[in-house]
Amino acid sequence: DGGITQSPKYLFRKEGQNVTLSCEQNLNHDAMYWYRQDPGQGLRLIYYSQIVNDFQKGDIAEGYSVSREKKESFPLTVTSAQKNPTAFYLCASRGVRANTGELFFGEGSRLTVL
Amino acid sequence: AQTVTQSQPEMSVQEAETVTLSCTYDTSESDYYLFWYKQPPSRQMILVIRQEAYKQQNATENRFSVNFQKAAKSFSLKISDSQLGDAAMYFCAYRSTGGGNKLTFGTGTQLKVEL
Repeated sequence: DGGITQSPKYLFRKEGQNVTLSCEQNLNHDAMYWYRQDPGQGLRLIYYSQIVNDFQKGDIAEGYSVSREKKESFPLTVTSAQKNPTAFYLCASRGVRANTGELFFGEGSRLTVL
Repeated sequence: AQTVTQSQPEMSVQEAETVTLSCTYDTSESDYYLFWYKQPPSRQMILVIRQEAYKQQNATENRFSVNFQKAAKSFSLKISDSQLGDAAMYFCAYRSTGGGNKLTFGTGTQLKVEL
């Protein structure tokens, strides 16, 4: 089945460590996005990529990094520079050609800093 | 920058009754998309309904319909014949037609469905 796979679902990190969240899609979508979700704040955009080897900062990019070496993959690294990394992270993709506008989401990854 | 406001943090509805969730947005664009997403306890985001701004007709998907008031910048979601499975967090979202086609989300409304 086509979809978006995020891993791991749960991740624990010690302060000062970098961690990478995986996002893979087999929907043949060009655009991919990373959102962060905190209670009471909705979803906030971290980074997005409209095409391979290109990505742009979203509203809260500080302390995060991404890469887009393959169309199917858009991993997010939470660096030690991120002051409050404990959150729920959602990856999404969108088919540019279809232009229906909707995003398809993965099931999310919960990151907890100990 | 566009903003999306959901002023109802929580709502309750009796099973089989109708409930309306409110959403307003701020934009200077004339062409855009609006969405309602549902996030059940599993936390998987599910698209409920979409509306293109150039369409005057309100979108409808089975028991879900919207009241789109472009001049007022209002986009409410009506759920008819509410079911227990409708209990979830509902997010309103705005998408411009340029600038990376990013979605801007509201803060969400937690809907409880009571027997």
